Amino acid sequence: AQSVTQPDIHITVSEGASLELRCNYSYGATPYLFWYVQSPGQGLQLLLKYFSGDTLVQGIKGFEAEFKRSQSSFNLRKPSVHWSDAAEYFCAVVPTGGGNKLTFGTGTQLKVEL
Amino acid sequence: GAGVSQSPSNKVTEKGKDVELRCDPISGHTALYWYRQSLGQGLEFLIYFQGNSAPDKSGLPSDRFSAERTGGSVSTLTIQRTQQEDSAVYLCASSLNTLKPQHFGDGTRLSIL
Repeated sequence: AQSVTQPDIHITVSEGASLELRCNYSYGATPYLFWYVQSPGQGLQLLLKYFSGDTLVQGIKGFEAEFKRSQSSFNLRKPSVHWSDAAEYFCAVVPTGGGNKLTFGTGTQLKVEL
Repeated sequence: GAGVSQSPSNKVTEKGKDVELRCDPISGHTALYWYRQSLGQGLEFLIYFQGNSAPDKSGLPSDRFSAERTGGSVSTLTIQRTQQEDSAVYLCASSLNTLKPQHFGDGTRLSIL
């Protein structure tokens, strides 16, 4: 079955430490891939997207993600986390030919310790 | 510039009542989407509109849910005879077209008593 998996429900990191949030997908063809962030009481903000081409994608707020076809993964990374990065992060996909309907993972709640 | 605007931001209503949720997309965006975010089900697609095409209603959970988009701009999501399981945050998004990323509003938090 087609799915998007975020294996980590909660992650806690210290401010200044590096961060990696995992995302795996299960689709026949590589879908379009996205990472969104949601702060409490807010909507979703797009961090970055991958459609094709360079497998390392740069986004806003110092985030990047790497697409790995062999692992069906699209992990989000940041070299040095700031306290303001505490939020919930969602990986999402649009299957190619899927009409732009986003399918979301279950989210990873990031806590940053000062 | 103005983003996606949703109203009301919070809505509390009694079970069995009808509710209307409004979404005002970014000007010039031809595609408009509704999603639902609930504790049990996470983020789910409900419906989307693209220009003058027939909407894709494949995500609507029951016939109590309907949506319309008037004049290719503002959209209203209507839930009839609300049930407690309808309690959720309803998010609206818009995009320039279906090939472009979606921009989200802050949502309407719906609570059914």
